[in-house]
Amino acid sequence: QVTLKESGPVLVKPTETLTLTCTVSGFSLTNSRMGVSWIRQPPGKAPEWLAHIFSKDEKSYSISLQSRLTISMDTSKSQVVLTMTSMDAVDTATYYCARIHKGSMVEDSWGQGTRVTVSS
Amino acid sequence: DIQMTQSPSTLAASVGDRVTITCRASQNIGTWLAWYQQKPGKAPKLVIHQASTVEGWVPSRFSGSGSGTEFTLTISSLQPDDFATYYCQQCKSYSRAFGGGTKVEIK
Repeated sequence: QVTLKESGPVLVKPTETLTLTCTVSGFSLTNSRMGVSWIRQPPGKAPEWLAHIFSKDEKSYSISLQSRLTISMDTSKSQVVLTMTSMDAVDTATYYCARIHKGSMVEDSWGQGTRVTVSS
Repeated sequence: DIQMTQSPSTLAASVGDRVTITCRASQNIGTWLAWYQQKPGKAPKLVIHQASTVEGWVPSRFSGSGSGTEFTLTISSLQPDDFATYYCQQCKSYSRAFGGGTKVEIK
């Protein structure tokens, strides 16, 4: 059974850096045909794709946010980490990680999401 | 960047109705399109990928079609469990934008 679970702070202050961790099970991060995406969804709005990683050398970022994002993976821990710098109130959202298939480029299994609020 | 536009944004329908949701891409994406269903407080769930390939958990009343820039998601006979918000997503380019969503409500 494939599961993904996001963890990280519930509240961050403006200008701070957000670090989120996605811990996966049921599939291996060493399988280069599968990777992990991060997607966020502000309250009442559509999801927004942020980044994905298939291996330590194969990463992609949202064009509009790439200067603020870093994605990495630790295969020994089955974890993918996303950092986002210079957090602002507009970054308040539920952040999801999801498994992505390289062939179809779709996210077929999602975590439950973690709500992040940016406020002083 | 490829932009995705869904219509309508809200749809009121009754159980048993045939429902069609449209998604348009700002440029040709072939069949690189996915549809997701989202219920309140839950993560989106993949319904269809490659424009018309239905996921295993999805009832046969769901179907997808289209290619290029225009796509549709059809529910042939709406059931109570289908009331949700549906999003399309282009999967062609790495900045894989979602549409704005279509909320299917009870009439």
